[in-house]
Amino acid sequence: GAVVSQHPSRVICKSGTSVKIECRSLDFQATTMFWYRQFPKQSLMLMATSNEGSKATYEQGVEKDKFLINHASLTLSTLTVTSAHPEDSSFYICSATQGSGANVLTFGAGSRLTVL
Amino acid sequence: DQQVKQNSPSLSVQEGRISILNCDYTNSMFDYFLWYKKYPAEGPTFLISISSIKDKNEDGRFTVFLNKSAKHLSLHIVPSQPGDSAVYFCAAHNNNDMRFGAGTRLTVKP
Repeated sequence: GAVVSQHPSRVICKSGTSVKIECRSLDFQATTMFWYRQFPKQSLMLMATSNEGSKATYEQGVEKDKFLINHASLTLSTLTVTSAHPEDSSFYICSATQGSGANVLTFGAGSRLTVL
Repeated sequence: DQQVKQNSPSLSVQEGRISILNCDYTNSMFDYFLWYKKYPAEGPTFLISISSIKDKNEDGRFTVFLNKSAKHLSLHIVPSQPGDSAVYFCAAHNNNDMRFGAGTRLTVKP
């Protein structure tokens, strides 16, 4: 079946540094990737929708300059948390779909970011 | 590794009947379980959750049951409505991790 690999699974960084999280579709071409953020025991919050070759569409309240999303190829999307602060500590999850008509979403395993 | 499994990729039920979506997990450390619903071309949305200290949680037409000894949870929707047609994901959570099932596509026929 379709597999989405997300890396790193855990990252700890100092405040003020930038962190990049990668999301790869391993055996299919992902025209659309989604990035989510989740606080403990809370709902998964969609941050942005990323379409290959175009700018990401951010959800209301998500700072696009803070969370840089790049979807340069059909198998790779990256989320960069710039100038990270402790309040950015969270669980970030990506997911991918295979095409415009695809309904099934394949999730990555998630990345836990801890900003000290 | 698939710590959370939804073994039925699809389910079809008649409007007004009960829909039962199942989910199994392997990690006994999970302490919180969630169900998400996803419509086509949209991100998943949270539906209902249950703590591992409970065996049932109900919210309107939706009820989640947890059987810890069997490492099994299920989502019941009754009565099912055509608008419930979507892909449903279960997720299992502990302090450091969250795992999702592959999803079950529910189709509710009028």
